[in-house]
Amino acid sequence: SQQGEEDPQALSIQEGENATMNCSYKTSINNLQWYRQNSGRGLVHLILIRSNEREKHSGRLRVTLDTSKKSSSLLITASRAADTASYFCATDIYTGNQFYFGTGTSLTVIP
Amino acid sequence: GAGVSQSPRYKVAKRGQDVALRCDPISGHVSLFWYQQALGQGPEFLTYFQNEAQLDKSGLPSDRFFAERPEGSVSTLKIQRTQQEDSAVYLCASSLVGHLEDGYTFGSGTRLTVV
Repeated sequence: SQQGEEDPQALSIQEGENATMNCSYKTSINNLQWYRQNSGRGLVHLILIRSNEREKHSGRLRVTLDTSKKSSSLLITASRAADTASYFCATDIYTGNQFYFGTGTSLTVIP
Repeated sequence: GAGVSQSPRYKVAKRGQDVALRCDPISGHVSLFWYQQALGQGPEFLTYFQNEAQLDKSGLPSDRFFAERPEGSVSTLKIQRTQQEDSAVYLCASSLVGHLEDGYTFGSGTRLTVV
């Protein structure tokens, strides 16, 4: 079973706007990662945030983590049509080798 | 190679047929994962290797699924007597131990359709 859920399931915005998607998870985690998946392709790693971090930036990406609420958010600023993809959060826990994916948010950026 | 390579890219199997899916990880990557992704869903963990050792196979859905990585590089996921519910994209990912910030590198997957 999947550890996380992304919200919203689908998001459609105009180019230049910001996109925010959220991830909630069930158990205590070691790290949380965000991945992007273009249609029919594999996943591309975007950013990792550790459980003792609260916020992280990478280019146009901003990730926050609230371990008390077991949630994370991914903000993409100044979106581009090329950002159109599905976005997944993935968590790993202290006692396991695997990492668990959420259900994904499908983002469409309209030119 | 530059990335994780998976073959075949697409596979159509008749129900009951055996299939073998191949993953070539990035050279030197110790960790290798297999994931199954159903249409419209997130990937679900199948199994994990560290070098040639299969350390976790808790995600394999049945004993029809078998994975191996005999020399610690190329891995094969075998599905025996395929069923329609096995239709999915099978993703392979690899990583270096101790390079967590880089995340995992995924292949483009093998799309299996069982008819």
